[in-house]
Amino acid sequence: DAGITQSPRHKVTETGTPVTLRCHQTENHRYMYWYRQDPGHGLRLIHYSYGVKDTDKGEVSDGYSVSRSKTEDFLLTLESATSSQTSVYFCAISGVPSNEQFFGPGTRLTVL
Amino acid sequence: AQSVTQLGSHVSVSEGALVLLRCNYSSSVPPYLFWYVQYPNQGLQLLLKYTSAATLVKGINGFEAEFKKSETSFHLTKPSAHMSDAAEYFCAVTNTNAGKSTFGDGTTLTVKP
Repeated sequence: DAGITQSPRHKVTETGTPVTLRCHQTENHRYMYWYRQDPGHGLRLIHYSYGVKDTDKGEVSDGYSVSRSKTEDFLLTLESATSSQTSVYFCAISGVPSNEQFFGPGTRLTVL
Repeated sequence: AQSVTQLGSHVSVSEGALVLLRCNYSSSVPPYLFWYVQYPNQGLQLLLKYTSAATLVKGINGFEAEFKKSETSFHLTKPSAHMSDAAEYFCAVTNTNAGKSTFGDGTTLTVKP
Protein backbone atom coordinates (compact mmCIF):
# COMPACT_ATOMS: atom_id res chain seq x y z
CA ASP A 1 0.00 0.00 0.00
CA ALA A 2 1.07 3.53 -0.77
CA GLY A 3 2.28 5.34 2.32
CA ILE A 4 -0.47 7.86 2.83
CA THR A 5 -2.20 8.67 6.09
CA GLN A 6 -4.86 11.11 7.13
CA SER A 7 -5.51 12.63 10.52
CA PRO A 8 -7.79 12.76 12.28
CA ARG A 9 -9.86 9.87 10.98
CA HIS A 10 -13.02 11.13 12.62
CA LYS A 11 -13.95 14.56 13.87
CA VAL A 12 -17.07 16.18 15.22
CA THR A 13 -17.05 19.95 15.51
CA GLU A 14 -19.43 22.85 15.83
CA THR A 15 -20.45 25.42 13.26
CA GLY A 16 -18.08 28.36 13.13
CA THR A 17 -15.01 26.59 14.47
CA PRO A 18 -11.81 26.20 12.44
CA VAL A 19 -10.78 22.71 11.42
CA THR A 20 -7.54 21.42 9.91
CA LEU A 21 -7.15 18.04 8.29
CA ARG A 22 -3.74 16.61 7.62
CA CYS A 23 -2.53 14.38 4.82
CA HIS A 24 0.90 12.83 5.13
CA GLN A 25 2.74 10.78 2.50
CA THR A 26 5.98 8.84 2.51
CA GLU A 27 6.14 8.27 -1.26
CA ASN A 28 7.73 11.60 -2.25
CA HIS A 29 4.98 12.13 -4.84
CA ARG A 30 4.73 15.56 -6.39
CA TYR A 31 0.95 15.82 -6.68
CA MET A 32 -1.44 15.83 -3.73
CA TYR A 33 -5.19 16.28 -3.81
CA TRP A 34 -8.07 16.88 -1.42
CA TYR A 35 -11.51 15.56 -2.32
CA ARG A 36 -14.82 15.45 -0.56
CA GLN A 37 -17.22 12.57 -1.05
CA ASP A 38 -20.95 13.02 -0.63
CA PRO A 39 -23.76 10.62 -1.57
CA GLY A 40 -24.79 11.10 -5.19
CA HIS A 41 -21.88 13.41 -5.97
CA GLY A 42 -18.95 11.06 -6.25
CA LEU A 43 -15.64 12.69 -5.45
CA ARG A 44 -15.27 16.41 -5.96
CA LEU A 45 -11.90 18.10 -6.03
CA ILE A 46 -11.41 20.81 -3.41
CA HIS A 47 -7.78 21.82 -3.93
CA TYR A 48 -4.67 20.23 -5.21
CA SER A 49 -0.92 20.78 -5.10
CA TYR A 50 1.66 20.24 -7.80
CA GLY A 51 4.67 20.98 -5.61
CA VAL A 52 5.77 22.59 -2.38
CA LYS A 53 3.95 25.91 -2.01
CA ASP A 54 2.23 25.34 -5.39
CA THR A 55 -1.51 24.86 -5.07
CA ASP A 56 -4.61 25.44 -7.16
CA LYS A 57 -8.35 25.39 -6.70
CA GLY A 58 -10.67 22.58 -7.60
CA GLU A 59 -14.37 22.66 -8.35
CA VAL A 60 -15.59 23.11 -4.75
CA SER A 61 -12.93 25.30 -3.13
CA ASP A 62 -15.14 27.91 -1.47
CA GLY A 63 -14.73 27.82 2.31
CA TYR A 64 -11.51 25.80 2.15
CA SER A 65 -7.84 26.70 2.10
CA VAL A 66 -4.74 24.53 1.80
CA SER A 67 -1.05 24.70 2.50
CA ARG A 68 1.92 22.62 1.52
CA SER A 69 5.18 23.63 3.15
CA LYS A 70 6.81 20.21 2.77
CA THR A 71 6.59 17.54 0.10
CA GLU A 72 5.07 15.05 2.52
CA ASP A 73 2.32 17.16 4.11
CA PHE A 74 -0.78 18.74 2.63
CA LEU A 75 -3.14 20.51 5.01
CA LEU A 76 -6.79 21.31 4.40
CA THR A 77 -8.33 24.06 6.55
CA LEU A 78 -11.93 24.97 7.03
CA GLU A 79 -11.66 28.50 8.36
CA SER A 80 -15.19 28.52 9.81
CA ALA A 81 -16.90 25.17 9.49
CA THR A 82 -20.49 24.98 8.29
CA SER A 83 -22.96 22.09 8.30
CA SER A 84 -22.67 21.86 4.51
CA GLN A 85 -19.07 20.81 5.00
CA THR A 86 -20.10 17.63 6.76
CA SER A 87 -18.58 15.01 4.50
CA VAL A 88 -15.92 12.38 4.09
CA TYR A 89 -12.63 13.91 2.99
CA PHE A 90 -10.06 11.96 1.01
CA CYS A 91 -6.49 12.84 0.30
CA ALA A 92 -4.78 11.38 -2.75
CA ILE A 93 -1.27 11.43 -4.15
CA SER A 94 0.23 10.91 -7.58
CA GLY A 95 3.71 10.95 -9.05
CA VAL A 96 2.55 12.37 -12.35
CA PRO A 97 -0.99 13.22 -13.51
CA SER A 98 -1.03 10.42 -16.07
CA ASN A 99 -0.56 7.87 -13.33
CA GLU A 100 -3.16 6.64 -10.95
CA GLN A 101 -3.90 8.38 -7.69
CA PHE A 102 -3.38 6.62 -4.40
CA PHE A 103 -5.98 7.40 -1.80
CA GLY A 104 -5.80 7.75 1.94
CA PRO A 105 -8.31 6.09 4.28
CA GLY A 106 -10.48 9.21 4.58
CA THR A 107 -11.58 11.55 7.35
CA ARG A 108 -15.21 11.64 8.38
CA LEU A 109 -16.07 15.18 9.44
CA THR A 110 -19.34 16.11 11.09
CA VAL A 111 -20.22 19.75 11.63
CA LEU A 112 -23.06 20.26 14.09
CA ALA B 1 -13.03 21.39 -19.54
CA GLN B 2 -13.59 17.76 -18.78
CA SER B 3 -16.44 15.73 -17.39
CA VAL B 4 -17.49 12.18 -16.68
CA THR B 5 -20.96 10.67 -16.78
CA GLN B 6 -21.66 7.29 -15.27
CA LEU B 7 -24.96 5.92 -16.48
CA GLY B 8 -26.85 4.24 -13.70
CA SER B 9 -26.15 5.02 -10.07
CA HIS B 10 -27.13 1.47 -9.10
CA VAL B 11 -26.59 -1.76 -11.01
CA SER B 12 -27.72 -5.15 -9.77
CA VAL B 13 -26.63 -8.46 -11.28
CA SER B 14 -26.81 -12.09 -10.30
CA GLU B 15 -23.70 -13.96 -9.32
CA GLY B 16 -22.11 -15.34 -12.49
CA ALA B 17 -23.76 -12.79 -14.76
CA LEU B 18 -22.05 -10.22 -16.93
CA VAL B 19 -21.15 -6.93 -15.28
CA LEU B 20 -21.37 -3.79 -17.42
CA LEU B 21 -20.80 -0.36 -15.88
CA ARG B 22 -21.05 2.57 -18.25
CA CYS B 23 -18.83 5.63 -18.42
CA ASN B 24 -18.83 8.45 -20.94
CA TYR B 25 -16.36 11.29 -20.82
CA SER B 26 -15.58 14.61 -22.42
CA SER B 27 -12.13 16.10 -22.60
CA SER B 28 -10.50 18.87 -24.60
CA VAL B 29 -7.21 16.97 -24.73
CA PRO B 30 -6.42 13.28 -25.22
CA PRO B 31 -7.67 11.76 -22.00
CA TYR B 32 -6.22 9.45 -19.45
CA LEU B 33 -9.06 7.35 -18.07
CA PHE B 34 -9.33 5.34 -14.91
CA TRP B 35 -11.69 3.03 -13.10
CA TYR B 36 -11.49 2.87 -9.33
CA VAL B 37 -13.32 0.67 -6.84
CA GLN B 38 -14.33 1.61 -3.32
CA TYR B 39 -15.30 -0.93 -0.69
CA PRO B 40 -17.30 0.22 2.34
CA ASN B 41 -15.42 2.54 4.68
CA GLN B 42 -12.28 2.48 2.56
CA GLY B 43 -10.52 4.76 0.14
CA LEU B 44 -10.53 4.21 -3.60
CA GLN B 45 -8.20 1.76 -5.27
CA LEU B 46 -7.28 1.45 -8.92
CA LEU B 47 -8.95 -1.20 -11.06
CA LEU B 48 -7.45 -0.24 -14.40
CA LYS B 49 -6.29 2.70 -16.49
CA TYR B 50 -6.16 3.78 -20.13
CA THR B 51 -3.15 5.78 -21.19
CA SER B 52 -3.35 5.44 -25.01
CA ALA B 53 -1.19 2.31 -25.28
CA ALA B 54 -4.07 -0.06 -26.07
CA THR B 55 -7.81 0.44 -26.40
CA LEU B 56 -8.70 -2.72 -24.47
CA VAL B 57 -7.37 -2.50 -20.96
CA LYS B 58 -7.25 -5.35 -18.49
CA GLY B 59 -7.32 -4.70 -14.79
CA ILE B 60 -7.40 -6.54 -11.53
CA ASN B 61 -10.01 -9.07 -10.42
CA GLY B 62 -11.00 -9.97 -14.00
CA PHE B 63 -12.25 -6.52 -14.98
CA GLU B 64 -11.53 -4.91 -18.31
CA ALA B 65 -12.54 -1.76 -20.15
CA GLU B 66 -12.53 -0.66 -23.76
CA PHE B 67 -11.71 2.87 -24.86
CA LYS B 68 -13.89 3.97 -27.76
CA LYS B 69 -12.92 7.41 -28.94
CA SER B 70 -15.79 7.70 -31.44
CA GLU B 71 -18.29 7.07 -28.66
CA THR B 72 -16.28 8.89 -25.95
CA SER B 73 -16.85 5.86 -23.77
CA PHE B 74 -14.85 3.73 -21.38
CA HIS B 75 -17.23 1.06 -20.14
CA LEU B 76 -16.16 -1.44 -17.51
CA THR B 77 -16.99 -5.13 -17.90
CA LYS B 78 -16.48 -8.44 -16.18
CA PRO B 79 -17.73 -11.68 -17.71
CA SER B 80 -18.88 -13.30 -14.49
CA ALA B 81 -19.81 -11.41 -11.33
CA HIS B 82 -18.68 -12.59 -7.94
CA MET B 83 -20.17 -11.68 -4.59
CA SER B 84 -16.91 -9.96 -3.68
CA ASP B 85 -17.40 -7.50 -6.59
CA ALA B 86 -20.13 -5.69 -4.68
CA ALA B 87 -18.77 -2.17 -4.21
CA GLU B 88 -18.95 1.33 -5.60
CA TYR B 89 -17.16 2.00 -8.87
CA PHE B 90 -15.88 5.33 -10.11
CA CYS B 91 -14.77 6.38 -13.55
CA ALA B 92 -12.31 9.27 -13.77
CA VAL B 93 -10.71 11.38 -16.49
CA THR B 94 -7.42 13.18 -16.03
CA ASN B 95 -6.21 16.25 -17.84
CA THR B 96 -2.47 15.85 -17.66
CA ASN B 97 -1.91 19.45 -18.72
CA ALA B 98 -3.79 20.78 -15.72
CA GLY B 99 -2.77 17.96 -13.40
CA LYS B 100 -6.23 17.26 -12.07
CA SER B 101 -8.88 14.59 -12.36
CA THR B 102 -12.65 14.61 -12.60
CA PHE B 103 -14.62 11.73 -11.15
CA GLY B 104 -18.04 10.44 -12.07
CA ASP B 105 -20.77 10.21 -9.47
CA GLY B 106 -20.19 6.51 -9.00
CA THR B 107 -22.12 3.31 -9.63
CA THR B 108 -23.01 0.96 -6.80
CA LEU B 109 -22.84 -2.65 -7.90
CA THR B 110 -24.96 -5.19 -6.05
CA VAL B 111 -24.41 -8.89 -6.68
CA LYS B 112 -27.29 -11.20 -5.87
CA PRO B 113 -26.70 -14.84 -4.95
